[in-house]
Amino acid sequence: EAGVAQSPRYKIIEKRQSVAFWCNPISGHATLYWYQQILGQGPKLLIQFQNNGVVDDSQLPKDRFSAERLKGVDSTLKIQPAKLEDSAVYLCASSQDRTGELFFGEGSRLTVL
Amino acid sequence: AQSVTQPDIHITVSEGASLELRCNYSYGATPYLFWYVQSPGQGLQLLLKYFSGDTLVQGIKGFEAEFKRSQSSFNLRKPSVHWSDAAEYFCAVGAQNNDMRFGAGTRLTVKP
Repeated sequence: EAGVAQSPRYKIIEKRQSVAFWCNPISGHATLYWYQQILGQGPKLLIQFQNNGVVDDSQLPKDRFSAERLKGVDSTLKIQPAKLEDSAVYLCASSQDRTGELFFGEGSRLTVL
Repeated sequence: AQSVTQPDIHITVSEGASLELRCNYSYGATPYLFWYVQSPGQGLQLLLKYFSGDTLVQGIKGFEAEFKRSQSSFNLRKPSVHWSDAAEYFCAVGAQNNDMRFGAGTRLTVKP
């Protein structure tokens, strides 16, 4: 079974530029999450999708971050414009309903200069 | 709102020694509790989970954890640590698969 795929693995941009991350969840997983993990901290939930609807985006900085889940499968997380404090690893995870187990991708490491 | 506290930022143990990583949570109802492990440059992998029933749960790689409601704790244990266990460990609390909150993590170093 293929795992959660994310790209790019690494991205370096300058502040005020934009960046997009892509995630392909495990086939059949209805729930998809984007987490932000700053160095030395635990993952922080940015947004959770159930199929293609948003369940929770309370911690998403909506003035600069946006996310969509096309047709309830792939998802894209965008940051525009980026700030220095956005430097982090962006983790995508998916899960089946009712199991509670999240399957994580390897993450996309963003460095903002 | 739920929260998770991992009091130990960094722990060092000798190979073959026992291990206990602490986790305390705050949650309004019966929580779903998880331990994940993250090796450098990798995503998180589930070690074990507690939903209900037996409060001592067994996981992969020889890990176990005990849910203690009276202490709001879910500590992770392993009787004999291997060098390959060196990693970052995260405790998480949630309601099924909604609103999963992670602790700040405990970094484990294993001495030869």
